[in-house]
Amino acid sequence: AQSVTQPDIHITVSEGASLELRCNYSYGATPYLFWYVQSPGQGLQLLLKYFSGDTLVQGIKGFEAEFKRSQSSFNLRKPSVHWSDAAEYFCAVGAITGNQFYFGTGTSLTVIP
Amino acid sequence: KAGVTQTPRYLIKTRGQQVTLSCSPISGHRSVSWYQQTPGQGLQFLFEYFSETQRNKGNFPGRFSGRQFSNSRSEMNVSTLELGDSALYLCASSGWTGSNEQFFGPGTRLTVL
Repeated sequence: AQSVTQPDIHITVSEGASLELRCNYSYGATPYLFWYVQSPGQGLQLLLKYFSGDTLVQGIKGFEAEFKRSQSSFNLRKPSVHWSDAAEYFCAVGAITGNQFYFGTGTSLTVIP
Repeated sequence: KAGVTQTPRYLIKTRGQQVTLSCSPISGHRSVSWYQQTPGQGLQFLFEYFSETQRNKGNFPGRFSGRQFSNSRSEMNVSTLELGDSALYLCASSGWTGSNEQFFGPGTRLTVL
């Protein structure tokens, strides 16, 4: 069965510190992987996506993610966090057919000055 | 290019009533997907429509239904509302069906009293 696990419900980091958000997936075929960010009262904004090719993908706002097939992981990273990065982050996996995405339960990020 | 729009943004209903939510996708997009977001269950896929046809359906009761019009606008209907239907309902549009980047609207916040 398809599923996405984000083991960290909440993370607090200091502004300027590095960030890594974990995501593990379970999927029976080659996954399409996504990271979305949601600010309070807003919809979801795509940060980055992985379909194939280079396993290190770059996204918007200075985020990157690395696909590791052997670990079924797609962790999100940022070298230096800004206060405006405080939000909810969702990892998602999708199929090659259809737009049915499976989302993790999200990781809430707090940034302290 | 205008983004995904959802109307209304907020709704308050009472148990037993029915509700219709509307989603206008990005111009030119033919796929519209609906998700329910709750604190306990996270983001769960409801259904996807492509060219007026339901392509995928999540694991929700028959009280949840949808449709898509020839201009790609989509509506979602929930009948016989229950307290547990209180949620943020998100609509996402994509250029085609077949996992690709989905663009999310701001959502409709439904409160059932």
